[in-house]
Amino acid sequence: AQTIHQWPVAEIKAVGSPLSLGCTIKGKSSPNLYWYWQATGGTLQQLFYSITVGQVESVVQLNLSASRPKDDQFILSTEKLLLSHSGFYLCAWSLRTVEQYFGPGTRLTVL
Amino acid sequence: QQQVRQSPQSLTVWEGETAILNCSYEDSTFNYFPWYQQFPGEGPALLISISSVSDKKEDGRFTIFFNKREKKLSLHITDSQPGDSATYFCAASRGDTGYQNFYFGKGTSLTVIP
Repeated sequence: AQTIHQWPVAEIKAVGSPLSLGCTIKGKSSPNLYWYWQATGGTLQQLFYSITVGQVESVVQLNLSASRPKDDQFILSTEKLLLSHSGFYLCAWSLRTVEQYFGPGTRLTVL
Repeated sequence: QQQVRQSPQSLTVWEGETAILNCSYEDSTFNYFPWYQQFPGEGPALLISISSVSDKKEDGRFTIFFNKREKKLSLHITDSQPGDSATYFCAASRGDTGYQNFYFGKGTSLTVIP
């Protein structure tokens, strides 16, 4: 069974519209969770991380926000999408070791 | 400032050849270096990693060579297969067991021709 699930698989949204992306981790107790953004053909940029429920730290400012409402859930959102938000959004997890494992990603297209 | 640099940007090899992907870094406090393999439309998968206390890590056809003094590492893929065609990312972190800030390179796109 897959450890990490992201939804939706893909989104096409209009500039100025709201966005909510989700990530669920199964079978891991109190994981560290991360959101990454990847431009098409580009590198990975860490956006947020969370070590525990209710606590989220921002790594870069991209007019996005994140929340961790449950131990196994991580949400990425914004009230108003920009064209520059287009890309591939990846959720990742780690335990009390150095390895990070990525989810399948959500492809976002902003028009 | 780019913390992690990769070269070449793209690489083409014939099936059966050895592909060599290079990575260098700036910060001498980095001590953990994972390599990720990413296929189009998928999330990156952890392929192999090395810590700075080792100079070599081998896993099947994949080997990392690490030179701490020069702050360089390389990924060697022996007997390359068409299924190895993907983008490979080198990353670096300080290897803390808490929050991990990973710095990624821009990737090397590998094409293996049958």
